[in-house]
Amino acid sequence: DAEITQSPRHKITETGRQVTLACHQTWNHNNMFWYRQDLGHGLRLIHYSYGVQDTNKGEVSDGYSVSRSNTEDLPLTLESAASSQTSVYFCASSELGEGRRGEQFFGPGTRLTVL
Amino acid sequence: AQSVTQLGSHVSVSEGALVLLRCNYSSSVPPYLFWYVQYPNQGLQLLLKYTSAATLVKGINGFEAEFKKSETSFHLTKPSAHMSDAAEYFCAVSDRGGNKLVFGAGTILRVKS
Repeated sequence: DAEITQSPRHKITETGRQVTLACHQTWNHNNMFWYRQDLGHGLRLIHYSYGVQDTNKGEVSDGYSVSRSNTEDLPLTLESAASSQTSVYFCASSELGEGRRGEQFFGPGTRLTVL
Repeated sequence: AQSVTQLGSHVSVSEGALVLLRCNYSSSVPPYLFWYVQYPNQGLQLLLKYTSAATLVKGINGFEAEFKKSETSFHLTKPSAHMSDAAEYFCAVSDRGGNKLVFGAGTILRVKS
């Protein structure tokens, strides 16, 4: 069955370190998204991609970067981790087709703690 | 920019009672609207989706939502709550292209026995 996976599921790091969170989907979806979830804020969009070599900034992109070298993967990098980036991170994907437009499929999440 | 407001960060109902979770959106163009559910320590799952085909949308697990353009609302209901419905529920609206989503802050539903 097609799925979307994230790794690691839990990560503890120190302030200033570079961290990369992996996202891999086997749906063959063109669209991929990264969100962070914080209490009282719901999910906020960090970066998104509509295809290979395409990346775009979302609502809360400062301090984060992504790259899209193939359809399946969209890794999220925290260039220099800060305590404010302690959060739960979700990756999602969706297809472009008219019938399923907007329906995003979510990974299980990565809980990141920055000390 | 589009936004979504969910009234009530926490809702508590008794098992068997009506569930009503409120969502209002702000948009000049009727968008796609969604309700997602998140069970503890899991990702989000799609409950239902409005695409302008019908104003009353039925989803999984007995949930439904009604789109009311005049009230810019998309409230989620279920006639009889079950213990397994305890979760966090998110309302979301798409951008005009239908690809990006803007989420509300979420409503945690508690079901009392």
